[in-house]
Amino acid sequence: AQKVTQAQTEISVVEKEDVTLDCVYETRDTTYYLFWYKQPPSGELVFLIRRNSFDEQNEISGRYSWNFQKSTSSFNFTITASQVVDSAVYFCALSEGYSTLTFGKGTMLLVSP
Amino acid sequence: DTEVTQTPKHLVMGMTNKKSLKCEQHMGHRAMYWYKQKAKKPPELMFVYSYEKLSINESVPSRFSPECPNSSLLNLHLHALQPEDSALYLCASTMPGDTQYFGPGTRLTVL
Repeated sequence: AQKVTQAQTEISVVEKEDVTLDCVYETRDTTYYLFWYKQPPSGELVFLIRRNSFDEQNEISGRYSWNFQKSTSSFNFTITASQVVDSAVYFCALSEGYSTLTFGKGTMLLVSP
Repeated sequence: DTEVTQTPKHLVMGMTNKKSLKCEQHMGHRAMYWYKQKAKKPPELMFVYSYEKLSINESVPSRFSPECPNSSLLNLHLHALQPEDSALYLCASTMPGDTQYFGPGTRLTVL
């Protein structure tokens, strides 16, 4: 069975601080996909990144970066120089091949000015 | 274009009402999903349609009735709901095995 753990329920930072959101996953498959979604207060789930299990390269997109480590079954997400607009709930999710998404419980990030 | 649209944005209904939620995508996706999300929780999968056929029903009560009239449209018919059904209802679409893209959701309140 697949499982995603986001141990941080809520994180509060001040603007311009760097922040890392942790994600640990469990799966028996060798082929799987990892995702991060952002959910601002408006409610829409915004897709941020998709990674397949064969690609351990770290990814950077602007102020966002992702660190995928199969050895520790982790897919962590770092926001550099956080901004108030980054305030949202962030979900890490896993799918095995053509299976449905398994979500973590989410981490609420609050960035204050 | 990765847009999934949902209407209405907000819905308030009584327990005896019948209403429908609508979801539309024009990305050529062949799988569409309904999720229910309660406050401070992750989305919970309700139904999956793949190539217009219902492929997954996560033991959802029969007061929720999905319908997929064509590959671009997904409806969720609501009847005799309970106050505990109040939630954010999210629609998503994808090509099977690919990334799910979500709509903005419908906030449903059952009085």
